[in-house]
Amino acid sequence: NAGVTQTPKFRVLKTGQSMTLLCAQDMNHEYMYWYRQDPGMGLRLIHYSVGEGTTAKGEVPDGYNVSRLKKQNFLLGLESAAPSQTSVYFCASSRTGGNTEAFFGQGTRLTVV
Amino acid sequence: AQSVAQPEDQVNVAEGNPLTVKCTYSVSGNPYLFWYVQYPNRGLQFLLKYITGDNLVKGSYGFEAEFNKSQTSFHLKKPSALVSDSALYFCAVRDQGSGAGSYQLTFGKGTKLSVIP
Repeated sequence: NAGVTQTPKFRVLKTGQSMTLLCAQDMNHEYMYWYRQDPGMGLRLIHYSVGEGTTAKGEVPDGYNVSRLKKQNFLLGLESAAPSQTSVYFCASSRTGGNTEAFFGQGTRLTVV
Repeated sequence: AQSVAQPEDQVNVAEGNPLTVKCTYSVSGNPYLFWYVQYPNRGLQFLLKYITGDNLVKGSYGFEAEFNKSQTSFHLKKPSALVSDSALYFCAVRDQGSGAGSYQLTFGKGTKLSVIP
């Protein structure tokens, strides 16, 4: 009964380093999302995907790239990390858009020093 | 562009009293509306949603929400608050129409609910 699983749960990066966050879902959902959560800002959508092989920009896409090569996985990449990318990152998935609710992972706490 | 406003950063309520967490929204078409709860160091958990029909929606853990189209509001309510309800609550919206809004799930900034024993 895994649902949405994010890897890793914690990470500390130095400015300029790169990393990839992995999201995996076992619910056969079509839609997947990456959000960042910052104090006082709520959740802001970074990128999303409406199906395997598709990606689209959300509200705050700059500095991030994504890939959805397999339906169950959605990867978020930081090519050159900056302190402004210090945040908690959440992955979510939903069966479709519209009236279907999203299911969230436990989050990845990323600190860029 | 669609948006959600949660006008209160924090709501304090005594245990046993009714609680209300406010949410207003803006979409170009008709909305699908959702409430989520987040406990410390956890992901978001789905509470309830409005699709169409009855304006009063019942969800998990005794929560309900009232949809008001004329006021573009979707307030979360519970008749009797528990200390264990203390958490961060998020309202979210999708547009029922076509275009990017029907894919994106847009969240408010969240309201911290504290239930005082």
